[in-house]
Amino acid sequence: GAVVSQHPSWVICKSGTSVKIECRSLDFQATTMFWYRQFPKQSLMLMATSNEGSKATYEQGVEKDKFLINHASLTLSTLTVTSAHPEDSSFYICSAPPGTSGYNEQFFGPGTRLTVL
Amino acid sequence: GEDVEQSLFLSVREGDSSVINCTYTDSSSTYLYWYKQEPGAGLQLLTYIFSNMDMKQDQRLTVLLNKKDKHLSLRIADTQTGDSAIYFCAETFMNRDDKIIFGKGTRLHILP
Repeated sequence: GAVVSQHPSWVICKSGTSVKIECRSLDFQATTMFWYRQFPKQSLMLMATSNEGSKATYEQGVEKDKFLINHASLTLSTLTVTSAHPEDSSFYICSAPPGTSGYNEQFFGPGTRLTVL
Repeated sequence: GEDVEQSLFLSVREGDSSVINCTYTDSSSTYLYWYKQEPGAGLQLLTYIFSNMDMKQDQRLTVLLNKKDKHLSLRIADTQTGDSAIYFCAETFMNRDDKIIFGKGTRLHILP
């Protein structure tokens, strides 16, 4: 099956710095990627949908200027957490929706654990 | 290891009940979730159950958890055309830094 990778798998940063998380489709082209955030001990929350060649679509309540999403190519989508603060500490997961990969199932990245000190 | 298994397809007649099943291998999970994904959309949380509960009901949705058999099910009463979607079960593990494991999803098809 298709593979989605994320880099880094974990990152620790100081408050006020920016962190970029990469999501790559390794053996298929993804025109769309979903970005999720998982709060500690809670469920996944959809943050935004990145679209190759156009602006990302953000869910209600998600700050566009804080969580910058860029779908640079058909194999790379990035999420940049700008001016990170401790409340941004979370687990961020990307996924390629069904059909995008040529398969009927959805493929999840392994996730990136962000800890902001 | 951790594994979450679901059947890939389910067809149900409109008005009947749908039962989507999920089995998992690791019994140390904290929460178990059901997510719904409609065509072209991201996952949306439907309901969840804490691992020390047996049942949870929320309107048309009933979640049953059998920890002995490591079996989770989602029952949708009076299935409607709007219930047509892919349903994912997932579990998180508190002792593993809240790592979340998803099943591959069950595509629910509603027959007229």
